[in-house]
Amino acid sequence: DAGVIQSPRHEVTEMGQEVTLRCKPISGHDYLFWYRQTMMRGLELLIYFNNNVPIDDSGMPEDRFSAKMPNASFSTLKIQPSEPRDSAVYFCASSTGLAGAETQYFGPGTRLLVL
Amino acid sequence: SQKIEQNSEALNIQEGKTATLTCNYTNYSPAYLQWYRQDPGRGPVFLLLIRENEKEKRKERLKVTFDTTLKQSLFHITASQPADSATYLCALSSDSSYKLIFGSGTRLLVRP
Repeated sequence: DAGVIQSPRHEVTEMGQEVTLRCKPISGHDYLFWYRQTMMRGLELLIYFNNNVPIDDSGMPEDRFSAKMPNASFSTLKIQPSEPRDSAVYFCASSTGLAGAETQYFGPGTRLLVL
Repeated sequence: SQKIEQNSEALNIQEGKTATLTCNYTNYSPAYLQWYRQDPGRGPVFLLLIRENEKEKRKERLKVTFDTTLKQSLFHITASQPADSATYLCALSSDSSYKLIFGSGTRLLVRP
């Protein structure tokens, strides 16, 4: 298996622009997680899906952020409009989903810079 | 609020020595504790999971302990190698939640 795939790997955009990050989870994994990592706040969970349904979005910072999972093999995280404070590395992870006891497999991340 | 603390200062040790990293937590009663390794420019990679009723877990040169009384986990790498140099993250979760709460990580540098 190719593992979790994320695109793009790097994104540079200007404040106010829309940014879309993409993720393909490992085949057969029922859970998909979106994280954000910064030096100040570490690795934070933004939202997670089970069987394509959003379960907990309490970590989504504000309405500018939205996430979708139209099918089992694809998810997007959108920021509109983007702001400089959104600059971070965004990770997607997937798992087979035993609560807490199942390991999560992370993608390589998307490094986002908002100017 | 829940808080996880890992030593923010890098741990610098000589090759062949044992590296010991600490993860402390407050205001939380996790059922599971996981350790991940993260290399620069890459996503975290799972290493070990330990349950609250387990005191110790081993995997090759790695050993994890979990003390729910002290609210602490120790992560040991024996016979350390320069290739072990990375950031190590601990993560906690409860029985009922799929959410992992991560510590900020400790950077390990193993000198040849």
